Amino acid sequence: DTGVSQNPRHKITKRGQNVTFRCDPISEHNRLYWYRQTLGQGPEFLTYFQNEAQLEKSRLLSDRFSAERPKGSFSTLEIQRTEQGDSAMYLCASSPGIAGATDTQYFGPGTRLTVL
Amino acid sequence: QKEVEQNSGPLSVPEGAIASLNCTYSDRGSQSFFWYRQYSGKSPELIMFIYSNGDKEDGRFTAQLNKASQYVSLLIRDSQPSDSATYLCAVNRGTGGFKTIFGAGTRLFVKA
Repeated sequence: DTGVSQNPRHKITKRGQNVTFRCDPISEHNRLYWYRQTLGQGPEFLTYFQNEAQLEKSRLLSDRFSAERPKGSFSTLEIQRTEQGDSAMYLCASSPGIAGATDTQYFGPGTRLTVL
Repeated sequence: QKEVEQNSGPLSVPEGAIASLNCTYSDRGSQSFFWYRQYSGKSPELIMFIYSNGDKEDGRFTAQLNKASQYVSLLIRDSQPSDSATYLCAVNRGTGGFKTIFGAGTRLFVKA
């Protein structure tokens, strides 16, 4: 296993289009996280999953953003009706989720979205 | 007030010096604290975590935590040019299982 993978690595789209990103976590990691990062800022939490259950999400995900992890393995993040302000790096991370142990997250390479 | 605050820098230190990076957080219920390094155009990579007051050392890196002051720091000894990166402080309300809040990061330059 080579770590968290994300596809595509780059996406250019026109305003108003829908886009979907995929994240494959490290195998046997039961927690999966999505973040958004813009230049000069730290990663901004979007949502996280414990297996297939979406346990917490930011207010961003109540509108045009949605995420799924249907079988508790890979996850998808969809952005509907993209806006120029959605241009950012979308990062996925996974963690083992071992009860009682400090849970450390490992990040994928990210998907860079450019909305024209 | 931001939930996690860091000086944006840049912090510039000469090669071989000690670099000191600081972070404050607002949620007193925070329990675990992480330092990540991020090179330009790359994703964050974990350096170390800490959850008990005091110091934790790992090679050239030492994390320091003071929960009463809501302060966490990272010291890098014998700084190398390859340490030049953005250092992100991250805070979690538990040992996991809650959202993690990141600071905006401090840019570090180590001059050869």
